[in-house]
Amino acid sequence: EVQLVQSGAEVKKPGESLRISCQASGYSFTSHWIHWVRQMPGKGLDWMGRIDPSDSYTNYNPSFQGHVTISADKSINTAYLQWSSLKASDTAMYYCTFTSGSYDYWGLGTQVIVSS
Amino acid sequence: EIVLTQSPGTLSLSPGDRATLSCRTSQSVRSSNLAWYQQRPGQAPRLLIYETSIRATGIPDRFSGGGSGTDFTLTISRLEPEDFVVYYCQLYHTSPLGYTFGQGTKVEIK
Repeated sequence: EVQLVQSGAEVKKPGESLRISCQASGYSFTSHWIHWVRQMPGKGLDWMGRIDPSDSYTNYNPSFQGHVTISADKSINTAYLQWSSLKASDTAMYYCTFTSGSYDYWGLGTQVIVSS
Repeated sequence: EIVLTQSPGTLSLSPGDRATLSCRTSQSVRSSNLAWYQQRPGQAPRLLIYETSIRATGIPDRFSGGGSGTDFTLTISRLEPEDFVVYYCQLYHTSPLGYTFGQGTKVEIK
């Protein structure tokens, strides 16, 4: 069974750093790009970027470039999304996902709350 | 940068009605790059339609997609109670390389 298991909810202060994770199982991790999608409270979906786990090549949405870093460790089938300095506006649900032809798989999401 | 505009923002219909959702792009795009997603409250999105008109695995045939150029549609032939949720179109683009979602259409019970 294909699964994307995301790390748990986080509550952070502005300026703090954070790394959330997405552990894949049930398929060949290096065969599909992993994407990260943001959903701010009550809002729509924003594609943040993607990573090819086979070589860690990344593409970013220009709106997120420089503010987040997407990485992956293929030895443990895990992708990451990290911030070095959080802002209140980073408060959102973050999903990891990949698509394989007519199938798509999503994690349950990681809720991130940034508040002083 | 290509902009996706979904309309209407909210669609008020009754179970059994036909729903037609629109997604317009600011410039002509390849049909192979357009997808539709459904999102239920508290859940992750799920793929409904890819390459404009191909249903994803397990998607009922009451869902259909079409269009070309700058105008694309998602049609739900007969609304079931579980269809009253939010729908997003998504475009894959190469300049810059990435994906963009429309702002969403909420289908609500009239």
